[in-house]
Amino acid sequence: EAGVTQFPSHSVIEKGQTVTLRCDPISGHDNLYWYRRVMGKEIKFLLHFVKESKQDESGMPNNRFLAERTGGTYSTLKVQPAELEDSGVYFCASSSLGQGANEKLFFGSGTQLSVL
Amino acid sequence: SQQGEEDPQALSIQEGENATMNCSYKTSINNLQWYRQNSGRGLVHLILIRSNEREKHSGRLRVTLDTSKKSSSLLITASRAADTASYFCATDAGHDYKLSFGAGTTVTVRA
Repeated sequence: EAGVTQFPSHSVIEKGQTVTLRCDPISGHDNLYWYRRVMGKEIKFLLHFVKESKQDESGMPNNRFLAERTGGTYSTLKVQPAELEDSGVYFCASSSLGQGANEKLFFGSGTQLSVL
Repeated sequence: SQQGEEDPQALSIQEGENATMNCSYKTSINNLQWYRQNSGRGLVHLILIRSNEREKHSGRLRVTLDTSKKSSSLLITASRAADTASYFCATDAGHDYKLSFGAGTTVTVRA
C-alpha cells in the first residue's frame, strides 16, 4: 500500500514567485493535514481537510497561502507570492475518518521549500 | 503557542546505551504521541499514551506520562545506529483534530 506522497521533495524559488506543493494521501483517508516546520523549530499545524471541506484552517499564516482539496483526494498548497520567512519543510499527513482518527497520523516525507 | 517542548534538544550516545528524552506540555490532553523522523523522511508514529495511562511499552520503547506535571518521557533501550533520528512528542487536546508538536530531540547513536 502506498504511503502519503508529496511533490516536489525540494523547491528553491525566489521571493515573490509562486510555488504549489502537492500531497497525495493514503487511499481512503478522508482526513488530510498540512503542517510546517520552520528553521528547526516546532512542527506547526496549518490546516485540516475532511474530504474536500476545510475543517480547520486556523494555522494558515496569512492569505498568501491557499490550500485546496478538490474531489477530496489529493491536496495542493499554494504560496503566492512567496516570502523569505516561508522557507521550511511542509509536511502532509492523513488519517482515516472516525473515532481515533487523530490517534495515528501518517506523514509524507515533506517538501523542503527554500525562498531566496 | 508551542504546546509540546522536548528536552534535550540534542543527545549523543554510544550504541547499546539508553536514550531518554522528555516532553513538557501546557494544557490538558486526551493523549500524547511520539513520532520519529529519520533524515529526509516523514514522521513515523511510534507510540501513543492516553491521559489515564502512566506507562506504556513497545519493543525497546518505554513511555511514561505524568499528567500532574504535564510531562512525558521516551526511553529507548539498547540503542542502535538506526535509532539516529529526531523524536517529536505531539499532544492531542481531544477537542479538535489537530496535534501540537514540539521542536524535537535530535538523537545521534555512535557506533
